[in-house]
Amino acid sequence: AQSVTQLGSHVSVSEGALVLLRCNYSSSVPPYLFWYVQYPNQGLQLLLKYTSAATLVKGINGFEAEFKKSETSFHLTKPSAHMSDAAEYFCAVTNSNSGYALNFGKGTSLLVTP
Amino acid sequence: GAVVSQHPSRVICKSGTSVKIECRSLDFQATTMFWYRQFPKQSLMLMATSNEGSKATYEQGVEKDKFLINHASLTLSTLTVTSAHPEDSSFYICSARSHGGPYTEAFFGQGTRLTVV
Repeated sequence: AQSVTQLGSHVSVSEGALVLLRCNYSSSVPPYLFWYVQYPNQGLQLLLKYTSAATLVKGINGFEAEFKKSETSFHLTKPSAHMSDAAEYFCAVTNSNSGYALNFGKGTSLLVTP
Repeated sequence: GAVVSQHPSRVICKSGTSVKIECRSLDFQATTMFWYRQFPKQSLMLMATSNEGSKATYEQGVEKDKFLINHASLTLSTLTVTSAHPEDSSFYICSARSHGGPYTEAFFGQGTRLTVV
């Protein structure tokens, strides 16, 4: 079984402030972890993905995430928020047992205020 | 990145009719396609997984006779919502990936907003 839990359905930050979106996972076998962004009425765009090569993963648009096995976490961060970062963010997990289908968290809506 | 085209982007249909949604991988061969459903302000729920040339594998609770999935070629999968009812109104998203390990990225279509009236 595999699942992800995203803490906080809504996060609000000021423009220029640190963005931190939390994701904890559960997986019976080694997980593969992803962060996606979704803009209204659109599909999903991959921000970054965890490969076992490095625990700190850098993605697009200045985002990065750190895989912490001891904490079963894969939190997404960005040093300085832009207005254009306002969107819905989904953490997802997959593993070999699921045929690599993605299991998504409930999502976190990021609001960026001027 | 690779492109997945999903059509139509929006569709309104009458209750009792059927609707077909297409998902095409434009520049790669999609050995596996996934169909998700997303209710407003909620996450994506996997409906089914289809491998080219094989029958789709449906998630628990998804009616296979209602949501017909066909993956006849390496570039096209279709989802047909049969005898649609208002409760089937939702945002449907497909994703496609080529054969490979878990790090092979799954690319998403733009989604289809289905409204059943």
